[in-house]
Amino acid sequence: QKEVEQNSGPLSVPEGAIASLNCTYSDRVSQSFFWYRQYSGKSPELIMSIYSNGDKEDGRFTAQLNKASQYVSLLIRDSQPSDSATYLCAVNVNTDKLIFGTGTRLQVFP
Amino acid sequence: EADIYQTPRYLVIGTGKKITLECSQTMGHDKMYWYQQDPGMELHLIHYSYGVNSTEKGDLSSESTVSRIRTEHFPLTLESARPSHTSQYLCASSGGTLSYGYTFGSGTRLTVV
Repeated sequence: QKEVEQNSGPLSVPEGAIASLNCTYSDRVSQSFFWYRQYSGKSPELIMSIYSNGDKEDGRFTAQLNKASQYVSLLIRDSQPSDSATYLCAVNVNTDKLIFGTGTRLQVFP
Repeated sequence: EADIYQTPRYLVIGTGKKITLECSQTMGHDKMYWYQQDPGMELHLIHYSYGVNSTEKGDLSSESTVSRIRTEHFPLTLESARPSHTSQYLCASSGGTLSYGYTFGSGTRLTVV
């Protein structure tokens, strides 16, 4: 079992819809959780971080964390074609390095 | 403005050549990382460093080497480039306990012909 698992997609949603991206992790002592967005040919950029159970909102993005169930999700409201990218989930287990999932490719069609 | 810089952005080089990919950051971060990523594929950690004179191999075996003589500088060297080294190389840095995640550089796209 991989330490951080994501569905590779592609996840296709129409413009204006809510995109829901999910990530599960195996290590219960994980401290902090991150979502990165990566456009094709570009480097990952950090879009959300979350440390406590519950929801954290930033603009159109909401990160949700449930440590008991070991999952973290990212909701993108009012999805735009410019949101089409690969979204990487990353988990900080032991403060040495982040563990990345393989990423979920999101396609937002007009 | 604090940032992390990678040079060159693109590199095409012949087989057998020695190359060094540069990575520098101005944020005073102790932790630095090198990842290799093929198009559409996942990130693979190849080297990391916790500070000056500290280097470790990552999860993916690599023929490259790294050095960390100064906090801000973490170059990656390939002694003899091969076509199998063709990939994108991403450098990242982080401070302290990784509470703020990584900051990534723009990457170097390497093509070995």
